[in-house]
Amino acid sequence: SQQGEEDPQALSIQEGENATMNCSYKTSINNLQWYRQNSGRGLVHLILIRSNEREKHSGRLRVTLDTSKKSSSLLITASRAADTASYFCATPVWRDSSYKLIFGSGTRLLVRP
Amino acid sequence: KAGVTQTPRYLIKTRGQQVTLSCSPISGHRSVSWYQQTPGQGLQFLFEYFSETQRNKGNFPGRFSGRQFSNSRSEMNVSTLELGDSALYLCASRNTGRGANVLTFGAGSRLTVL
Repeated sequence: SQQGEEDPQALSIQEGENATMNCSYKTSINNLQWYRQNSGRGLVHLILIRSNEREKHSGRLRVTLDTSKKSSSLLITASRAADTASYFCATPVWRDSSYKLIFGSGTRLLVRP
Repeated sequence: KAGVTQTPRYLIKTRGQQVTLSCSPISGHRSVSWYQQTPGQGLQFLFEYFSETQRNKGNFPGRFSGRQFSNSRSEMNVSTLELGDSALYLCASRNTGRGANVLTFGAGSRLTVL
């Protein structure tokens, strides 16, 4: 089952605008990760934010984490057509020595030239 | 450094058949996990392998199985295929040392069951 929900499910913006997508999760976490998926292909890791961090930046990406609300947001600034993709948040689950990610439902971003 | 390689990229099978998918992880990564992605269920964890041992399995029937070889390469098998098995199957490898939290995914194997 999925850890949480992302909203919006789909987002269409003009090139140069900012894109914000939100993620909610259900359980306590050690960190939260964001991944990007270009149409029908594999996922690419974008950024990881630890539970003791509130904000993190990487290039045009800004991620915030609010553990009290169990939510995170991903902001992409000055978007480009190449940012068109689906974006997923993911939370890790450790059990004994096994590791897996629980993914959100994803946000489909379309950046119009 | 080569990425995660999955083969085949696309395949079409009919109901009742079986399929084997292959994954070669990044060199030095000993953990390999598999995920199924469908429009209805999203991304779901299938299993994780480490040192040729299955560490964890998701909520999938016994028709889904896998294994890992001594060189860390992994295969997953789905027997008695059903229409609902049509999906993108993603393999991911993980460095269990530094950066142990991040998964590196392959491009996926898209399975269509007719």
